[in-house]
Amino acid sequence: QKEVEQNSGPLSVPEGAIASLNCTYSDRGSQSFFWYRQYSGKSPELIMSIYSNGDKEDGRFTAQLNKASQYVSLLIRDSQPSDSATYLCAHWGETSGSRLTFGEGTQLTVNP
Amino acid sequence: DTGVSQNPRHKITKRGQNVTFRCDPISEHNRLYWYRQTLGQGPEFLTYFQNEAQLEKSRLLSDRFSAERPKGSFSTLEIQRTEQGDSAMYLCASSLGGVNEQFFGPGTRLTVL
Repeated sequence: QKEVEQNSGPLSVPEGAIASLNCTYSDRGSQSFFWYRQYSGKSPELIMSIYSNGDKEDGRFTAQLNKASQYVSLLIRDSQPSDSATYLCAHWGETSGSRLTFGEGTQLTVNP
Repeated sequence: DTGVSQNPRHKITKRGQNVTFRCDPISEHNRLYWYRQTLGQGPEFLTYFQNEAQLEKSRLLSDRFSAERPKGSFSTLEIQRTEQGDSAMYLCASSLGGVNEQFFGPGTRLTVL
């Protein structure tokens, strides 16, 4: 089992729709969770971090964390073509030292 | 610009040559990380420094790879006797103390011919 699994893409949504990106992780000791956005040919950009169960909202982005289910998600409301990118889920936990462990990413395309 | 910087941005080399990359972290960040990313994969951890001390290395990091952070500021990553399998994007990230939000530099894309 991979440490971090993301829903397989690519994911395609129309402009203005809600894009839902999902991630599960295997390390029950995981404490911190991050979503990065990566445009093609560029480096990952941190867009959300979440540390406790529940929802965290930042503009059009909402991260949801359920530690009991070992599940974290990212919702993008009012999706824009500029949101088209690969979204990487990452976690940090006591068993992983100080490293972030990343999923393979989900490629999102927002169609005008 | 106060973000993480990396040089060079691109490096093309022949198999067997040595290459060295540099990373300058965000100035107040004491933690510095190196990751490697290949196409279609997420970044893979290589090594981590807190100040000048190298505290962790991936088991996947071969002996051909070495990293330094001599004064606790910039870091260098050297790959000796490069192989075609070393072709990847090499990413540097930094963070502040116990806060684990890591911020990435633009990366160095290595192509080994």
